[in-house]
Amino acid sequence: GESVGLHLPTLSVQEGDNSIINCAYSNSASDYFIWYKQESGKGPQFIIDIRSNMDKRQGQRVTVLLNKTVKHLSLQIAATQPGDSAVYFCADSTYGAGSYQLTFGKGTKLSVIP
Amino acid sequence: GAVVSQHPSWVICKSGTSVKIECRSLDFQATTMFWYRQFPKQSLMLMATSNEGSKATYEQGVEKDKFLINHASLTLSTLTVTSAHPEDSSFYICSARVPAYNEQFFGPGTRLTVL
Repeated sequence: GESVGLHLPTLSVQEGDNSIINCAYSNSASDYFIWYKQESGKGPQFIIDIRSNMDKRQGQRVTVLLNKTVKHLSLQIAATQPGDSAVYFCADSTYGAGSYQLTFGKGTKLSVIP
Repeated sequence: GAVVSQHPSWVICKSGTSVKIECRSLDFQATTMFWYRQFPKQSLMLMATSNEGSKATYEQGVEKDKFLINHASLTLSTLTVTSAHPEDSSFYICSARVPAYNEQFFGPGTRLTVL
């Protein structure tokens, strides 16, 4: 993920609409990417992952797209619901210190308008 | 499966005291655990990687003498913030990696407030 900023980008969507959250990463050696959802005062929750040999992966109501050429990742949430309101982080995985480590992006706050 | 717990969930302490935070993998053995720190409205920053039975590897800029990490068993890692100061107030999150997989499972976090 990119370096940490002092403010969180926000995205407001109407309930039922689709949401697209974007993320850029900097390490071209990263081969595994994950999207996490973090609700206020809680730890990150795994949403979906994708390996570098894929460019698209679908889950339940979520799709992750990977563009390695421009080092860009996106998360699409279909039919966004109020329960989707949270901060979303992308993370990329690289090997270091004897294990695979995650580098988190700056995060995007998603607010769903009922 | 793959549940990680942290204790305490929040703690308030006086400046100069030490605080210990526990991270447990409840239903799997974690050879590697990670500690992160998260300031308000910011991202998670990796502090250290802890492999069971060996010394933790700290990220650049993280003082190993201030943030003591012990990973004595396959299900428990502890982070001790020594001589805590108000600037150490943060949300501390641990994660554990399932062996043979890249995926990390995160604990619920511990909110530390140093007065």
